[in-house]
Amino acid sequence: ETGVTQTPRHLVMGMTNKKSLKCEQHLGHNAMYWYKQSAKKPLELMFVYSLEERVENNSVPSRFSPECPNSSHLFLHLHTLQPEDSALYLCASSQSGLAGRNNEQFFGPGTRLTVL
Amino acid sequence: AQKVTQAQTEISVVEKEDVTLDCVYETRDTTYYLFWYKQPPSGELVFLIRRNSFDEQNEISGRYSWNFQKSTSSFNFTITASQVVDSAVYFCALSEANNAGNNRKLIWGLGTSLAVNP
Repeated sequence: ETGVTQTPRHLVMGMTNKKSLKCEQHLGHNAMYWYKQSAKKPLELMFVYSLEERVENNSVPSRFSPECPNSSHLFLHLHTLQPEDSALYLCASSQSGLAGRNNEQFFGPGTRLTVL
Repeated sequence: AQKVTQAQTEISVVEKEDVTLDCVYETRDTTYYLFWYKQPPSGELVFLIRRNSFDEQNEISGRYSWNFQKSTSSFNFTITASQVVDSAVYFCALSEANNAGNNRKLIWGLGTSLAVNP
């Protein structure tokens, strides 16, 4: 596997379910990101992890819970979501998160989430 | 406040036409980066280019070229002789500096959906 992978690619869940999104990067990067992409809205940065430490949390509801066990893996745990949480969830990684001036982010293919 | 505006929501062209995607940005930072990403139907955002605010040289990469004009705060993207495979949503982004002066957070435009028809 190369680049950034995400599983599952599609997820349908009820409002009472608990599920997790997984992201894995094979680029040797030190920073990982979760974004939410909704129609007709700019990409929303949700969380940033740098060297496994959360460095940014953009007022995301607590029903979204990130986890970064190591620099290659990032999870987004979901519980009691709302229909408005339906979106494409994108994971990205970059070489550095805190000290980078040339921080191209490399993205995974996303998980298309539908909350019923 | 930082802001990125992509005024063109959708563009439709016929194959082999040239097409320019506009990007206008606002920032008070003197040091910043500008990016273009491509999002094909498969979903992942593909990095195309990064431009430093101190480097106003235009760049060409195959059929792609970028015109950075600091005076008008624009960073436009031109595809020459477009092809059907160029059909995608294209995003322009601005890299914001945090308090330590490091660029990290991306400010995204809403994207331009380009359809290249055969």
